[in-house]
Amino acid sequence: DAGVIQSPRHEVTEMGQEVTLRCKPISGHNSLFWYRQTMMRGLELLIYFNNNVPIDDSGMPEDRFSAKMPNASFSTLKIQPSEPRDSAVYFCASSPTGTRRTEAFFGQGTRLTVV
Amino acid sequence: DAKTTQPNSMESNEEEPVHLPCNHSTISGTDYIHWYRQLPSQGPEYVIHGLTSNVNNRMASLAIAEDRKSSTLILHRATLRDAAVYYCILHGSSNTGKLIFGQGTTLQVKP
Repeated sequence: DAGVIQSPRHEVTEMGQEVTLRCKPISGHNSLFWYRQTMMRGLELLIYFNNNVPIDDSGMPEDRFSAKMPNASFSTLKIQPSEPRDSAVYFCASSPTGTRRTEAFFGQGTRLTVV
Repeated sequence: DAKTTQPNSMESNEEEPVHLPCNHSTISGTDYIHWYRQLPSQGPEYVIHGLTSNVNNRMASLAIAEDRKSSTLILHRATLRDAAVYYCILHGSSNTGKLIFGQGTTLQVKP
């Protein structure tokens, strides 16, 4: 199994541009998570899907951020318009069930730089 | 959500055991204790989890206090590749499956 696959690995964009981050979870996993990591704030959970349905998006910073999961094998996190403070490493993770008895598997992350 | 408290940093010598502590005095009866680690420039990686009994796997051991208010992750023989940030997380029904990361413990391993 290739694990959780994120693309792109690195993204540099100008302020005001739209950015789309992509994630392919592990096949058969029912839960998907998007996290953001910065030096100042550490790892923050942005949104959590279960069976393709957003369960909790309370961590999404503001309306500029949106996430979708059109099917069980693909999710996107979009930032429009992007701002320099959005610069961070964004991780996607998936879990077989999302329950407290199972572990989550993380991708390698997308390093976003907004200039 | 119940919180965990970990030391900011720890040091260890290579090939010696390492005991990473975690306090979780407000743990509820249904919270599982999960440990993850994050190697430099990588995503977090699952290490181990448990509920009440001590647990062992190929990576580490987890010792859980009888009152469950604290736990210890044990690396039996630290290697340089074990240098990472280690996160202790409570994963319970109250947080709907979310993994909430704290600041973790940065482990340095000296040769």
